[in-house]
Amino acid sequence: DAGITQSPRHKVTETGTPVTLRCHQTENHRYMYWYRQDPGHGLRLIHYSYGVKDTDKGEVSDGYSVSRSKTEDFLLTLESATSSQTSVYFCAITHGQTNYGYTFGSGTRLTVV
Amino acid sequence: AQKVTQAQTEISVVEKEDVTLDCVYETRDTTYYLFWYKQPPSGELVFLIRRNSFDEQNEISGRYSWNFQKSTSSFNFTITASQVVDSAVYFCALSEDRDRFYFGTGTSLTVIP
Repeated sequence: DAGITQSPRHKVTETGTPVTLRCHQTENHRYMYWYRQDPGHGLRLIHYSYGVKDTDKGEVSDGYSVSRSKTEDFLLTLESATSSQTSVYFCAITHGQTNYGYTFGSGTRLTVV
Repeated sequence: AQKVTQAQTEISVVEKEDVTLDCVYETRDTTYYLFWYKQPPSGELVFLIRRNSFDEQNEISGRYSWNFQKSTSSFNFTITASQVVDSAVYFCALSEDRDRFYFGTGTSLTVIP
């Protein structure tokens, strides 16, 4: 299996606090993605990265920022968490273009209270 | 407009029955890729199949089969002789280029013993 890990696996935080989720890969893949999964919406793209310091917004990027200072790490930050950001967050990687398909991390369940 | 539609939100079948999960997609590209992923109760996302737009041959893998029809923009997934372990949420996805990977909202399959 591809080496991709997400941390933490579960987190409860209070409204208004910043939160950072980490995605770490050991595959040296260039492309990394952050998705959120919500009932009735499937998976929606938040941000993605083509390489170090090369990131772009997805369809639901408001309230989120990302950073990629190393190939292996892609960080997702909720600048000021809101209850609407309660979700399951998945990181994904692909060695080439998305048409090769993703390998997903195990997910982070975030609850904002 | 939804690029990938999975009209069946929930399906229940009795073990050993056959079941087909529907997926309809929308794209103007001539080159694109379609995928199915499985999400068992444990939560991880597992790759099942990738199909490119130039290959309309049906695919069979054990009890799983996929029917790709460009004429109807459909990529349906059939499980033959369903088993309890098939209970999961199944996602269909479309990739047009490296930036975009669109997921359907998922179909939750319950196989009753």
